[in-house]
Amino acid sequence: GDSVTQMEGPVTLSEEAFLTINCTYTATGYPSLFWYVQYPGEGLQLLLKATKADDKGSNKGFEATYRKETTSFHLEKGSVQVSDSAVYFCALGLNSGGYQKVTFGIGTKLQVIP
Amino acid sequence: DAGVTQSPTHLIKTRGQHVTLRCSPISGHKSVSWYQQVLGQGPQFIFQYYEKEERGRGNFPDRFSARQFPNYSSELNVNALLLGDSALYLCASSLSGGKTEAFFGQGTRLTVV
Repeated sequence: GDSVTQMEGPVTLSEEAFLTINCTYTATGYPSLFWYVQYPGEGLQLLLKATKADDKGSNKGFEATYRKETTSFHLEKGSVQVSDSAVYFCALGLNSGGYQKVTFGIGTKLQVIP
Repeated sequence: DAGVTQSPTHLIKTRGQHVTLRCSPISGHKSVSWYQQVLGQGPQFIFQYYEKEERGRGNFPDRFSARQFPNYSSELNVNALLLGDSALYLCASSLSGGKTEAFFGQGTRLTVV
């Protein structure tokens, strides 16, 4: 079945450090790929997305590239801030019967310390 | 503009009881999806509705059911609650059921005791 594997946290970084959160996927078709962020006590927010191979999604200094050959969609940011502390979910979306089913990874908690 | 709204925000129920969770999508959105997020896990897909019809169902028992109303709001019903049903239930709305962005509500935290 379809699945997403992402590195388990928590990840603790100092402010201005470089961030990488690894994500790999298994899918039967040609998925869209997403990164969602969940701040404490809140719902999920779409951070960025890519819909086909070699696309790069970017937002708020975060970026991820859809790598079909390695079935990966790693999240990166050059310089993290305390306000980036949250849980990050990698996800894939596949159309089936006219709807899009989104499959999420387990989530990676990021803590940025001053 | 109002986002996706869910009610109630928190709920405590006893094993064996029934619960109804509600979701109002963003104005103009016709598709609603429901997800269950157990503590420490990623959200798991339960249902998707589009134009009042069920379009997709995840791997959940028949105790879980849902419906969508003519105004596109939705209810998720869970019968015969088990302790393992304790989770954050998330509703997401989108313009249509296909490759369109889903916007999530803040969720309903259900605790079964």
